[in-house]
Amino acid sequence: NAGVMQNPRHLVRRRGQEARLRCSPMKGHSHVYWYRQLPEEGLKFMVYLQKENIIDESGMPKERFSAEFPKEGPSILRIQQVVRGDSAAYFCASSPRVSSGYEQYFGPGTRLTVT
Amino acid sequence: AQTVTQSQPEMSVQEAETVTLSCTYDTSESDYYLFWYKQPPSRQMILVIRQEAYKQQNATENRFSVNFQKAAKSFSLKISDSQLGDAAMYFCAYRINNAGNMLTFGGGTRLMVKP
Repeated sequence: NAGVMQNPRHLVRRRGQEARLRCSPMKGHSHVYWYRQLPEEGLKFMVYLQKENIIDESGMPKERFSAEFPKEGPSILRIQQVVRGDSAAYFCASSPRVSSGYEQYFGPGTRLTVT
Repeated sequence: AQTVTQSQPEMSVQEAETVTLSCTYDTSESDYYLFWYKQPPSRQMILVIRQEAYKQQNATENRFSVNFQKAAKSFSLKISDSQLGDAAMYFCAYRINNAGNMLTFGGGTRLMVKP
């Protein structure tokens, strides 16, 4: 069973461009979480999605950031008009269910650099 | 606000010795899990150990064990017989059960292992 996959692993964007980060959860997992890790900091929760639904986006910046998890295909985290402060590692995690015993499995992350 | 605090930005241990990493957290919830994650230079988040808050017995995984003090809201990680491969960032995290299950992370402790 393949783990959580994220691509690209590294993404360089100029200020003002759009960044699209993809996350394919583990097989059988229908819950996806996105976290952001700024340099020298811990991970911060951004958004929690189930298939076709955003369940909790309390950690998402109000502007320029959006996320989706369509019925088919990977989850996408989209950042419009990127700024230097968006430079960070973005991690995706998946879980089969949202019950107390189920772990989140992390992908390898996407490192976004805004020049 | 619910927070996780790791008061040691860096720790150093001699190979084969024992080291303890500190973590305190603040929550008003009673049903939650606590975790320690390891992040090596590859940036992959690796689950080291977890503890259910309702269990009084401290969790143990081979050379890794925790000291869970629920009343004090303390959750330290002890690494015995330290190995060079233990060198990494270590993050403490908790998750409130059945409330979306997103993880809240501390700021991390960088562990260096001296040969």
